[in-house]
Amino acid sequence: AQKVTQAQTEISVVEKEDVTLDCVYETRDTTYYLFWYKQPPSGELVFLIRRNSFDEQNEISGRYSWNFQKSTSSFNFTITASQVVDSAVYFCALSEAFTGRRALTFGSGTRLQVQP
Amino acid sequence: SAVISQKPSRDICQRGTSLTIQCQVDSQVTMMFWYRQQPGQSLTLIATANQGSEATYESGFVIDKFPISRPNLTFSTLTVSNMSPEDSSIYLCSVEGTWGNTEAFFGQGTRLTVV
Repeated sequence: AQKVTQAQTEISVVEKEDVTLDCVYETRDTTYYLFWYKQPPSGELVFLIRRNSFDEQNEISGRYSWNFQKSTSSFNFTITASQVVDSAVYFCALSEAFTGRRALTFGSGTRLQVQP
Repeated sequence: SAVISQKPSRDICQRGTSLTIQCQVDSQVTMMFWYRQQPGQSLTLIATANQGSEATYESGFVIDKFPISRPNLTFSTLTVSNMSPEDSSIYLCSVEGTWGNTEAFFGQGTRLTVV
């Protein structure tokens, strides 16, 4: 069965600090997708990234970067120079691309508070 | 990409009543998913809805409580039946992206409060 673990329940940082949100996953499928979503206080889910299991390149998008390590089954998310607007709950999720579970399995989420 | 319209966006309902949530997609999709997000919690899959077949429910969710319809490839409904305060949650519908697409798409959610 698939599982996503976000061990950090809540993180509080001061603006301009860097912060890393951890995500560890379990799956038996060899082909899968990993996702990160942001959920601000307004409640909608904001897509951040999808990563295919065969693409282990790290990705950078502005202040956001993602570190995918298959060897440790981790897909960590780093925000550089955090801002107050980054305050939200962040979810890591997994779907099994072809033969497995196509719906997303979500981690429990990490609440990030960025203090001014 | 896919745009999902979900209605209603929020509702306050009396216990014992039922609410039907609608999900309209602007393109044809094979699978639609319904999730529940209880207050302060993560998203949990309720069921997968394929057009032309019965929905597949996850453990802990039953058809009598959460009947789902999927009459065509662009539309689905989820009914929350005989509601109790424990059903107060955000309910979201979702469709998966295609192979070349980047994201799984979510509706804006229905924020349900049962009093």
